[in-house]
Amino acid sequence: QVQLQESGPGLVKPSETLSLTCTVSGDSTSSFYWNWIRQVPGEGLEWIGHIHYSGSTNYSPSLKSRVAISADTSKHQFSLRLASMTAADTAVYYCARGAGYMIESWGPGTLVTVSS
Amino acid sequence: DIVMTQSPDSLAVSLGERATINCKSSQSVLSSADNKNYLAWYQHKPGQPPKFLFSWASTRESGVPDRFSGSGSGTDFTLTISSLQAEDVATYFCHQYYSAPLTFGGGTKVEIK
Repeated sequence: QVQLQESGPGLVKPSETLSLTCTVSGDSTSSFYWNWIRQVPGEGLEWIGHIHYSGSTNYSPSLKSRVAISADTSKHQFSLRLASMTAADTAVYYCARGAGYMIESWGPGTLVTVSS
Repeated sequence: DIVMTQSPDSLAVSLGERATINCKSSQSVLSSADNKNYLAWYQHKPGQPPKFLFSWASTRESGVPDRFSGSGSGTDFTLTISSLQAEDVATYFCHQYYSAPLTFGGGTKVEIK
C-alpha cells in the first residue's frame, strides 16, 4: 500500500519560495499522477497541480505563475516550489497520488505558515 | 473550472439515524465516452489524511462500511450514511476528476446530535 510523506519548512517568510518534498513508499512513482493540494485554515481544498510520471505537468490557473512541480523517480520523490509566498498561502499542504485524475491516496499533510 | 457546491455545510444527526450530504457540480461530470461519473467522496478527520470512500460516484472502496452509499449522476450527487456511528464524525467532501483544474466541494461537517 502506498504511503506518502510531506517534508519541508513549517515557516516561510513573506516573498520567499516554499519548497516541499513528498516521499513515496510502498509503490513506484510510475503510471500515476502526483499531486499537490492545500487547505487554508477554515476553507476548502485547493488543487495546486500535478506531475505525471512521464514528466508532464498541469497547474491550477490561479497559481500557475508561481508554481513548479518536479519529480525525482530515482528517489521516489516529487517536489513543489511556490514562489512569492504571502500570508494567504498559509495552509496545510498535502501531496497525493492520482490514478488518472482521481486522487486516491494522501499524505498526512504539513502546515506551512507564512510570517516574518 | 468546475465548481463543486456541497450542502449542508454541517449537520447533526442522532446515532443510528441517516445522514445525507449533497454535492452539485457546475457542469456535468458524466463522460459520454465511458458513461462514468468522474466524482469521488472522501472522509476527513482532523490530523489525518482524507480517506477515499467512493470513486465513480458510487463505487465503494475496499474496507468502507456498507452503511455508506454514493449515488447520483451528471451534476447532482449524494453521499448517504444509513445509520450514523460515532466513528463517522468527520468532514466529508466531494471531488471532481473530470477535468483540470481538479476541484473539491467545500466540505460537510457531520456531528452527533
